[in-house]
Amino acid sequence: AQTVTQSQPEMSVQEAETVTLSCTYDTSENNYYLFWYKQPPSRQMILVIRQEAYKQQNATENRFSVNFQKAAKSFSLKISDSQLGDTAMYFCAFLNLLEKLVFGKGTKLTVNP
Amino acid sequence: DAGVIQSPRHEVTEMGQEVTLRCKPISGHDYLFWYRQTMMRGLELLIYFNNNVPIDDSGMPEDRFSAKMPNASFSTLKIQPSEPRDSAVYFCASRRTWQGGNEQFFGPGTRLTVL
Repeated sequence: AQTVTQSQPEMSVQEAETVTLSCTYDTSENNYYLFWYKQPPSRQMILVIRQEAYKQQNATENRFSVNFQKAAKSFSLKISDSQLGDTAMYFCAFLNLLEKLVFGKGTKLTVNP
Repeated sequence: DAGVIQSPRHEVTEMGQEVTLRCKPISGHDYLFWYRQTMMRGLELLIYFNNNVPIDDSGMPEDRFSAKMPNASFSTLKIQPSEPRDSAVYFCASRRTWQGGNEQFFGPGTRLTVL
């Protein structure tokens, strides 16, 4: 069974600084998708960024970028120029070929003014 | 587009009562997913449908839980009888086949409290 591990339960960062959230996963599949979702206090799940495993180029979305290391099964999220609105739970997720989205336990990120 | 709609947003009930959670997926989406979020277990997939047909219900915790999708625009998750350990946030999500990136769009969730 696929598993997703987020080793940092909580992190904090100063406004305007950069922070990196870690994620590792375990799978025997070769083709899959990886996601980072943000869950603010409103509890709405918001997609931050996605990565297709067959693409070597790391995905970027404005201030958000990933470091995808397929051989190491690592998928970290970098947030640049952190903003107060980035304060939220961040979930790493793996989508397998059976359509199941497997989530990590989450990292609670606090951006301090 | 209105996004995925879930109702109610909050539900408080007593142990033993029947609870029905409702979901309206995004129009045109042919996949629908039900998730449960708890502090202990995180986010878990309960069941998902494709073209209104249940494909995988292996995540449904026990027979007290049932889900239906009578048409492409409506799904229900029923718990009967409810127990305090069912207290959680229940999310519905949907997506469209071959949509770029296989993104699932989540509803706002229903916070269920069973007393």
